[in-house]
Amino acid sequence: AAGVIQSPRHLIKEKRETATLKCYPIPRHDTVYWYQQGPGQDPQFLISFYEKMQSDKGSIPDRFSAQQFSDYHSELNMSSLELGDSALYFCASQLQRVSPLHFGNGTRLTVT
Amino acid sequence: GENVEQHPSTLSVQEGDSAVIKCTYSDSASNYFPWYKQELGKRPQLIIDIRSNVGEKKDQRIAVTLNKTAKHFSLHITETQPEDSAVYFCAAAGGTSYGKLTFGQGTILTVHP
Repeated sequence: AAGVIQSPRHLIKEKRETATLKCYPIPRHDTVYWYQQGPGQDPQFLISFYEKMQSDKGSIPDRFSAQQFSDYHSELNMSSLELGDSALYFCASQLQRVSPLHFGNGTRLTVT
Repeated sequence: GENVEQHPSTLSVQEGDSAVIKCTYSDSASNYFPWYKQELGKRPQLIIDIRSNVGEKKDQRIAVTLNKTAKHFSLHITETQPEDSAVYFCAAAGGTSYGKLTFGQGTILTVHP
């Protein structure tokens, strides 16, 4: 079965650089969520999109932005990177808003 | 906003024993409670979930109970195996979206052969 695809799997950036993370949801899933998981921490909700519109916002820094495109894939853009942004970033999708989430394998971002 | 507390933070058991992890939540509007298993560096994997209109749910060796009045829910794993060793997270969501999850702090479960 198709799963949520995230790219890249690993990304190394320097402080103050920018990064773009991509997420391709499971076909027919219309809702995408982004989560950030720091080392030894639980995942934290960042932002979500339903039918290409932002549906909810969590603890996402102003330096980050995201969008969902017409083909339902989503991108998380991160600017002015800080050391504290080093984390696993997970994208998840769902078929309906009251169905379970399906997580991608994540992007490990390292900021040096 | 929602706050989820999870205990214990670490749990060590012998193979074949049972393991119990407990969570409490603060928002009475929460109505969806999933449990995830996460191995190091990998994605969270849903192992069982429960909705607020159900008090208990079981899937083979895994069961979850929910007490809405007390706002707590628990994960029970019976006949534990070494491959059950991982970090387990409880979570809660409310309203019309089951995707905006608030997670507990996680429990590191170690099953000794």
